[in-house]
Amino acid sequence: DAKTTQPPSMDCAEGRAANLPCNHSTISGNEYVYWYRQIHSQGPQYIIHGLKNNETNEMASLIITEDRKSSTLILPHATLRDTAVYYCIVRTGSGNTPLVFGKGTRLSVIA
Amino acid sequence: GAGVSQSPSNKVTEKGKDVELRCDPISGHTALYWYRQRLGQGLEFLIYFQGNSAPDKSGLPSDRFSAERTGESVSTLTIQRTQQEDSAVYLCASSLRYSLPEAFFGQGTRLTVV
Repeated sequence: DAKTTQPPSMDCAEGRAANLPCNHSTISGNEYVYWYRQIHSQGPQYIIHGLKNNETNEMASLIITEDRKSSTLILPHATLRDTAVYYCIVRTGSGNTPLVFGKGTRLSVIA
Repeated sequence: GAGVSQSPSNKVTEKGKDVELRCDPISGHTALYWYRQRLGQGLEFLIYFQGNSAPDKSGLPSDRFSAERTGESVSTLTIQRTQQEDSAVYLCASSLRYSLPEAFFGQGTRLTVV
């Protein structure tokens, strides 16, 4: 079972920041937060991951609350090509379990 | 190769027939994963390989499903006596090592059982 809770859908205006929330209240100390996305008819694509510090890469930023019970993925300037289903996944860093995908958030970027 | 390659991209088969789905991971990737995605649904984990070994087969839906990997490279997912509920996109992914966060997915094989 997925250990995360995400809203089923969100809209975002093109050029604005998209903030996708994820609740993972049962996360344990050795578990990381991973984000993937799946654009229609494609396989999922890795975006970013983190343990407790905020992370940023060329695609997005990941903000993790101090208690680690929730996080937010930020796409700073959403484009139409960012329309996809975004999955928040919790998994141990040692990788003893596979990536378990929940239902994700369907983000629609609107022109 | 440049990415994870899956074949065939589409497969239509008659109910009761056996099918083999192939996955060619990125060269050098020791971890390989199979997922199933039914229409409009999320990804369902099936099985993973570390090298040629599959430590956990509990995700396979029934004993009609089996998978193998050889040479720490190509993997085959076999479905025997296909049923209509097996219709889905079957996705394969690989990563350099099992513990790494970034898994690279193929485009999937769309299986339709008629």
